Amino acid sequence: EIVLTQSPGTLSLSPGERATLSCRASQSVSSSYLAWYQQKPGQAPRLIIYGASSRATGIPDRFSGSGSGTDFSLTISRLEPEDFAVYYCQQYGSSPPYTFGQGTKLEIK
Amino acid sequence: QVQLVQSGAEVKKPGASVKVSCKASGFTFTGYFMHWVRQAPGQGLEWMGWINPNSGGTNYAQKFLGRVTMTRDTSISTAFMELNNLRSDDTAVYYCARQGTLNYFDPWGQGTLVTVSS
Repeated sequence: EIVLTQSPGTLSLSPGERATLSCRASQSVSSSYLAWYQQKPGQAPRLIIYGASSRATGIPDRFSGSGSGTDFSLTISRLEPEDFAVYYCQQYGSSPPYTFGQGTKLEIK
Repeated sequence: QVQLVQSGAEVKKPGASVKVSCKASGFTFTGYFMHWVRQAPGQGLEWMGWINPNSGGTNYAQKFLGRVTMTRDTSISTAFMELNNLRSDDTAVYYCARQGTLNYFDPWGQGTLVTVSS
């Protein structure tokens, strides 16, 4: 089973700052099958990045994804108040087919 | 617009079953796999399985084999997830989500809270 480990668990930053979230896989993951989701309290997750680096429809360009192999990251260049949420990475592999990281909470400092 | 609308919250006793529905609109229901993901209170996301609405074929996570059944009714563009022999640790929000071309999930339903309590 591919385990995704996200770090840090909690990231405290101020609006306007840059955020970098990490997702490390226990085995190599195809970049095509690495996605990031944003979840706000009481809401369903929302797709932010797919294919490791492609922004989903309607996602502002301050969000960017990068990485390959076992190390992936999500960067938010200048934090807006609405960006504070929990972020999950997700991979599609062989068995089990789909796994999520445990999440990074991005909170206002 | 592309949308998934789920059924309302449920309260069940241990040992009972629950069936959650997910109605699709704005796209061809039979053209996309539908997944189910759950989230226990304060916890992360856990994949449960998928159904191919075109064929009815399914693939369940090992953890749920024997307890979960995913079905669909193409006449009403609705997917269903039934979980049997409920336990207290099945208390969670259950989401349906459409599979994208690169196996991402988009969009998601609004979620259905299932509470298991005696």
